[in-house]
Amino acid sequence: AQKVTQAQTEISVVEKEDVTLDCVYETRDTTYYLFWYKQPPSGELVFLIRRNSFDEQNEISGRYSWNFQKSTSSFNFTITASQVVDSAVYFCALSHIGGAEYGNKLVFGAGTILRVKS
Amino acid sequence: DAGVTQSPTHLIKTRGQQVTLRCSPKSGHDTVSWYQQALGQGPQFIFQYYEEEERQRGNFPDRFSGHQFPNYSSELNVNALLLGDSALYLCASSLSVQETQYFGPGTRLLVL
Repeated sequence: AQKVTQAQTEISVVEKEDVTLDCVYETRDTTYYLFWYKQPPSGELVFLIRRNSFDEQNEISGRYSWNFQKSTSSFNFTITASQVVDSAVYFCALSHIGGAEYGNKLVFGAGTILRVKS
Repeated sequence: DAGVTQSPTHLIKTRGQQVTLRCSPKSGHDTVSWYQQALGQGPQFIFQYYEEEERQRGNFPDRFSGHQFPNYSSELNVNALLLGDSALYLCASSLSVQETQYFGPGTRLLVL
């Protein structure tokens, strides 16, 4: 069975602080994808990143960076110099890699609410 | 390039009624997935359609059914609505089954 745990229910920071959102996953698959999505108050889930289980290189995109560690089954997300517009619910998700005939459902964590205060 | 669209945006129904939600995928996408998101929780997978067939299904009762049309759009039907069906229903589309899923704005369903 696949499972994603986001232990931080809610985080509050002051603008310009750095913040790290934790994600721990469980899967028996040897190949899988990991994702982060952002859900602003409007409700639409916005795709941020997808990582393949073969690729443990950390990634940086502007103020966002992701740390993937297979040894600890973690895929953490850091926002540097946070801004008020970063306030949202952030979801970590997992899917297996397989044939099209089997589908590829996303398994989501419970989400972390990030509040950035000015 | 239009993203994933869903209709209606909001819906109010009473217990026992039936509802149909609609989704149009992004241009070029052939796979559609549906998720239910209860308040304060992460989205839960309902099912996924590819080539007009249900490819994978989550732990949802048979009251939840779907369909994919030849133009790749999709419908989610829920029969015999329960109060617990109140949620945000999200549709996602992808270029193919294994590609990244992009989500629509959702339909907020309230069952009274």
